[in-house]
Amino acid sequence: AQTVTQSQPEMSVQEAETVTLSCTYDTSESDYYLFWYKQPPSRQMILVIRQEAYKQQNATENRFSVNFQKAAKSFSLKISDSQLGDAAMYFCASGGSQGNLIFGKGTKLSVKP
Amino acid sequence: GAVVSQHPSWVICKSGTSVKIECRSLDFQATTMFWYRQFPKQSLMLMATSNEGSKATYEQGVEKDKFLINHASLTLSTLTVTSAHPEDSSFYICSGLGPPSYNEQFFGPGTRLTVL
Repeated sequence: AQTVTQSQPEMSVQEAETVTLSCTYDTSESDYYLFWYKQPPSRQMILVIRQEAYKQQNATENRFSVNFQKAAKSFSLKISDSQLGDAAMYFCASGGSQGNLIFGKGTKLSVKP
Repeated sequence: GAVVSQHPSWVICKSGTSVKIECRSLDFQATTMFWYRQFPKQSLMLMATSNEGSKATYEQGVEKDKFLINHASLTLSTLTVTSAHPEDSSFYICSGLGPPSYNEQFFGPGTRLTVL
C-alpha cells in the first residue's frame, strides 16, 4: 500500500524568508511520481512542483524547489523568498504508473508580513 | 495547462433528493477521471476512478449505489449523489488524466454540497 506522511500540520514563515515542508512516502511501485499541490482558500488544487522518481536531479520551479531523497523516501518542499500569496494548505502526493494519487494530510502554511 | 471545470460550484438540496455534479475537461481528452471528497480541514479522499466507457472503480467504503459515476465521453464525467443526507455534505473535487501526460491529474475547482 502507498502512504504519504506530512508530519507538520501547521507551519509559519516570515515574509521573504525560507521555509521547508516535510514529506515522507512509501510505495511499492518502481515507477512513480511525487507532487506538491497548493490549495488556497478558494480550494482549487494547484500543482506547485513535480518530481519523476527516476530523475536524480531535484526539481525546481522559480522559488519552489524540492529535496528528493529516494533512499530515505523523503520529498521536502522548500519555498524561498516567501510571499503572502504562498499562504495555503500544501499537500504532498505520490502517484503511480496508473496516474492515481495518494495524498498526505497536508500542512497549513501561514506567512507573516 | 489543461483545464477542468465543475458544475455547479455550490449546491444546496433537501435531504432525500439527488444531486448531479458535472466534471468537464475543456481542452484535453480525459481518458481517466477521479472523484475526491474533502471534509473541512482534511485531505482529499479518493472516492472512485472512472475510465471512459467503463464502469467506475470505487474505493473501499464508498457506496457505489449512493454515488453514481458516469464517464460517457472523454470530456465529461458526472457524479450523482442519490438520496442525499446531511452527512453527504462535503466538498467534491474531480480531476482528469489524459494525453499527452498520463501522470499528472488536472483538478476541477470543486463543488460544495450542502444537504439540509
